[in-house]
Amino acid sequence: AQSVSQHNHHVILSEAASLELGCNYSYGGTVNLFWYVQYPGQHLQLLLKYFSGDPLVKGIKGFEAEFIKSKFSFNLRKPSVQWSDTAEYFCAVNARAAGNKLTFGGGTRVLVKP
Amino acid sequence: GAVVSQHPSWVICKSGTSVKIECRSLDFQATTMFWYRQFPKQSLMLMATSNEGSKATYEQGVEKDKFLINHASLTLSTLTVTSAHPEDSSFYICSLKGLAGIDEQFFGPGTRLTVL
Repeated sequence: AQSVSQHNHHVILSEAASLELGCNYSYGGTVNLFWYVQYPGQHLQLLLKYFSGDPLVKGIKGFEAEFIKSKFSFNLRKPSVQWSDTAEYFCAVNARAAGNKLTFGGGTRVLVKP
Repeated sequence: GAVVSQHPSWVICKSGTSVKIECRSLDFQATTMFWYRQFPKQSLMLMATSNEGSKATYEQGVEKDKFLINHASLTLSTLTVTSAHPEDSSFYICSLKGLAGIDEQFFGPGTRLTVL
């Protein structure tokens, strides 16, 4: 079975600080990796995804993530956060062999103080 | 990306009643839709995969007779929570798979179910 771990449940930081959210997965096959964001009261939105190619992926709103295969990790980063980045962030992984089922991490609540 | 709607957005019902939640793909035909459940302050858990014209595939631990899924058309899937109880109170989210060969899902806004 595949599992996805997000190490931080809550993160509080000030505007302009840098953000890094950890994500590790436990699946040895070919995987597709995603980061989703859920703003308060809104639905899940895709921030970025990795399927293949350059392991450094750039997404929307200044976010990026790096796939490190040897570490089974897909950490999300943003150099300088804004108050509007306050949201819950979910890492998700699916494996082609598992029929495109998405498995989500537990989520990380990020609060950016103005 | 695809636009997905859900109806209703919020429903309150009495224990023992059944509730139907609709998930619609507004701008393209989706052969596969997914239903997730999200408890407060927790992550999304896949409940079932809904395929148009065939029976849904349920994840382990999800009662198929409790959570009835009907994917009658390429733009509509429904989830019926039968004989709902307070422990069924949750946030139910549908998603649909993108175009063939693209492994990305697009999510609906969710339906909050509260069972009294």
